Amino acid sequence: EVQLVESGGGLVQPGGSLRLSCAVSGFILSDHYMDWVRQAPGKGLEWVGRSKNEANSYTTQYAASVKGRFTISRDDSTNSLYLQMNSLATEDTAVYYCATPPSPSEGYLYYWGQGTLVTVSS
Amino acid sequence: QSVVTQPPSASGTPGQRVTISCSGSNSNIGSNNIYWYQQLPGTAPKLLIYKNDQRPSGVPDRFSGSKSGTSASLAISGLRSEDEADYYCSTWDNSLTGRVFGGGTKLTVL
Repeated sequence: EVQLVESGGGLVQPGGSLRLSCAVSGFILSDHYMDWVRQAPGKGLEWVGRSKNEANSYTTQYAASVKGRFTISRDDSTNSLYLQMNSLATEDTAVYYCATPPSPSEGYLYYWGQGTLVTVSS
Repeated sequence: QSVVTQPPSASGTPGQRVTISCSGSNSNIGSNNIYWYQQLPGTAPKLLIYKNDQRPSGVPDRFSGSKSGTSASLAISGLRSEDEADYYCSTWDNSLTGRVFGGGTKLTVL
C-alpha cells in the first residue's frame, strides 16, 4: 500500500525558515517524480514544485512564486522527500501536500499525503 | 489568478446532470492532458479523471471528462449529496514549465 506522510509544519515568523518532510512507503522513491502542492486557507490548489526521478537526474522545477526561496530534495535511502522553505512570507501560509504519480511512466498526481499546515505569522 | 479558469461555483439537485468547465490556452490545455480532482472538506484531493476522459478504478461512471481545443469539462450525472465538494482541473503549462490547477469549483447539491 502506497503511503505518503508529511510532517514538519508549524508556526514560523515572517522571514524564517522551515523544512517539511514527506515519508513514503509502498513504492521505490527513486523511480518516482515527487511533487509539492499547497493550499492556502479557503483557497485553491497551487503547485509548488517537483523533483524528477533518478533516471532524470533528480532535476527540480519550481513555481515562480517560490523559486529561489524553496528547495526540494530527497533521500531515497530513507524514503524521504523534503521541502526547505526560506524567507517565508505570510502568503506562504498553507497546507502543504506531497504527491506522486501512480507509476514512474505517468505524469499526473495520484497518491497524496494528508498535508501539513504551515502558518507564517508574527 | 490561475492560467486555467473554472467557474467558482456550480449547483444542482439530486439526480441532475451538472458540468464544470475549465478554460485555458494553447500552452496548457491545448497541448497537454487534463486531470480532474475532487476535494472533500479537510481532505487531500482525489483523482477523478486522468488523461482527459479516463476514470481511475473505483470512480463511478457518473463522472466523465472531455476536452476540446483549449477547454475541458467534467460532467457529473445522477447527482448525489456526497458529490458536494470542490473540483479542480489540472494540466501542465509549457510556457510556465509547471503544473497548473484551475481555481476550483465548489459544487453544491441543493
